[in-house]
Amino acid sequence: NAGVTQTPKFQVLKTGQSMTLQCAQDMNHEYMSWYRQDPGMGLRLIHYSVGAGITDQGEVPNGYNVSRSTTEDFPLRLLSAAPSQTSVYFCASSYSFSAINTEAFFGQGTRLTVV
Amino acid sequence: EDQVTQSPEALRLQEGESSSLNCSYTVSGLRGLFWYRQDPGKGPEFLFTLYSAGEEKEKERLKATLTKKESFLHITAPKPEDSATYLCAVPKNYGGSQGNLIFGKGTKLSVKP
Repeated sequence: NAGVTQTPKFQVLKTGQSMTLQCAQDMNHEYMSWYRQDPGMGLRLIHYSVGAGITDQGEVPNGYNVSRSTTEDFPLRLLSAAPSQTSVYFCASSYSFSAINTEAFFGQGTRLTVV
Repeated sequence: EDQVTQSPEALRLQEGESSSLNCSYTVSGLRGLFWYRQDPGKGPEFLFTLYSAGEEKEKERLKATLTKKESFLHITAPKPEDSATYLCAVPKNYGGSQGNLIFGKGTKLSVKP
């Protein structure tokens, strides 16, 4: 049972480069989200999706794009990497956005450094 | 504004020394409070969900409680393997739906043998 799988685990980018962080879940979850975690800031929501074809912005969406073409996958794209995007990124999924009592399952994280 | 505040930021205990972690929240119409454990280099792992004031849940040496304004995570006779960062989260108000989670900054617990 894989749960939520993120790739890559580590990545170094140069300023201005673009890349995609991959996230896949095998639990048929409706809701998926991306968070970034920075020292002293806690987890902050970047983008989320309540189902295939439906995405919306979270607290810190600037510089990131998402799409959700399938239930299983929710990639996060960095359009033009900046040093301020150096962070640890977590993908999470849960059964439903609207129902209560739905715990979130997290991936292992992607540690991104932008130089 | 919906907000979650955890205290203390860091806590050092000796093995067997019981203590409590605090999570206070300001969100209208609470629809649950979640506790997670995060080990270094890993993603948060679900521990508990609490829904109503007075509710308590237990798992091994951990017990979570909920009041109308805050939650406590009590750790009884901790062991070194309980060392981790403990995160608290509440759903943002989306007119009755659970919505996205708002996380506190966490309490980093270190238990020395």
